[in-house]
Amino acid sequence: KNEVEQSPQNLTAQEGEFITINCSYSVGISALHWLQQHPGGGIVSLFMLSSGKKKHGRLIATINIQEKHSSLHITASHPRDSAVYICAVREWDTDKLIFGTGTRLQVFP
Amino acid sequence: EAGVTQFPSHSVIEKGQTVTLRCDPISGHDNLYWYRRVMGKEIKFLLHFVKESKQDESGMPNNRFLAERTGGTYSTLKVQPAELEDSGVYFCASSQEAPDRVGETQYFGPGTRLLVL
Repeated sequence: KNEVEQSPQNLTAQEGEFITINCSYSVGISALHWLQQHPGGGIVSLFMLSSGKKKHGRLIATINIQEKHSSLHITASHPRDSAVYICAVREWDTDKLIFGTGTRLQVFP
Repeated sequence: EAGVTQFPSHSVIEKGQTVTLRCDPISGHDNLYWYRRVMGKEIKFLLHFVKESKQDESGMPNNRFLAERTGGTYSTLKVQPAELEDSGVYFCASSQEAPDRVGETQYFGPGTRLLVL
């Protein structure tokens, strides 16, 4: 079992829908990252969280340290949001990044 | 400012051959990381350079993999001889801050897609 689990693995949505991607982890962490990878593209960092909530435009990320869980929300989704979203945690003991397998999101017009 | 660049973008080689991947980090970034994603699996850490020194190479799968960062600028990752299971996407990332408890932002390159036949 991977130390970082994401759900769902695949997600399809209609343009305008509200989207939630979940990430659960089993190790002690100092930070959690949400990353985005467009098809054929590189990886872009969306958020780095250690507590609470952050918002950038239509993207919102939350983290609950006690429950070892984070969510990424996309409001008013758009086809250009179609990408793989990856959760990665920085393990407290080793300072290494541990990655989830990613959630593939497709938003249709 | 240019981002992290990687070369080549794709590489197809036969089992037993040698391949060298290159990563150019963002100028001024002392920290350079190599990661790998094998098909269908999550991204895994390979190693971490601070300037020209290997800070942590615990993720390197075996001695067929050799990473260097001469002069503390660009880095190369050589696979010799390549095996079928080495196929995957190799990502490089760089950062300015040290990976301390506060956390750091790593900037990722586009990756090199390696296919070993």
